[in-house]
Amino acid sequence: DAGVIQSPRHEVTEMGQEVTLRCKPISGHNSLFWYRQTMMRGLELLIYFNNNVPIDDSGMPEDRFSAKMPNASFSTLKIQPSEPRDSAVYFCASTPGTMASTQYFGPGTRLTVL
Amino acid sequence: EDQVTQSPEALRLQEGESSSLNCSYTVSGLRGLFWYRQDPGKGPEFLFTLYSAGEEKEKERLKATLTKKESFLHITAPKPEDSATYLCAVIQGGSEKLVFGKGTKLTVNP
Repeated sequence: DAGVIQSPRHEVTEMGQEVTLRCKPISGHNSLFWYRQTMMRGLELLIYFNNNVPIDDSGMPEDRFSAKMPNASFSTLKIQPSEPRDSAVYFCASTPGTMASTQYFGPGTRLTVL
Repeated sequence: EDQVTQSPEALRLQEGESSSLNCSYTVSGLRGLFWYRQDPGKGPEFLFTLYSAGEEKEKERLKATLTKKESFLHITAPKPEDSATYLCAVIQGGSEKLVFGKGTKLTVNP
């Protein structure tokens, strides 16, 4: 099993630009989660999907952030426009069950907004 | 107010020197407590899930225990390859959110 796949692994962009992060969950997993990790705030849940439907997006910081899951094998997290405070590592995770099930994390995307 | 607090923030051990990491939580109706290991530049890697007070789980040199207010990750005779950040996370009743502590960075010197 290839595990959770994320791309790109690193992204450097300028303030105001649109950024799209991509995630492919483990095959057969029906829940997908997007997290953001910073030194100050640690690992924070942004949004999660169950069977491709967004269930809880209360962690999304503001309207500049949006996430989609068009099918069971692909999800995107978009930031438009990006700001320097969005610089962080963004992780995608998937699980075969509900939130109480073990989550398997991808390698993350390190985003730097200049 | 933090729901999950890990201590210490950082811990340095000599190879073979056993110790424990602490995770205290304030959530009500705990549905599960998770321990993850995170290496630099990588995503968190699952170690254990504990569901009820008194439960214990072991894996190699690691043993996780759970009480009604906290969990401990005991490391017996650690090796340099055990160096990593260890994260604790909880899910509480009535919520579907996994809430993480800020982690303990463990360094084991040879």
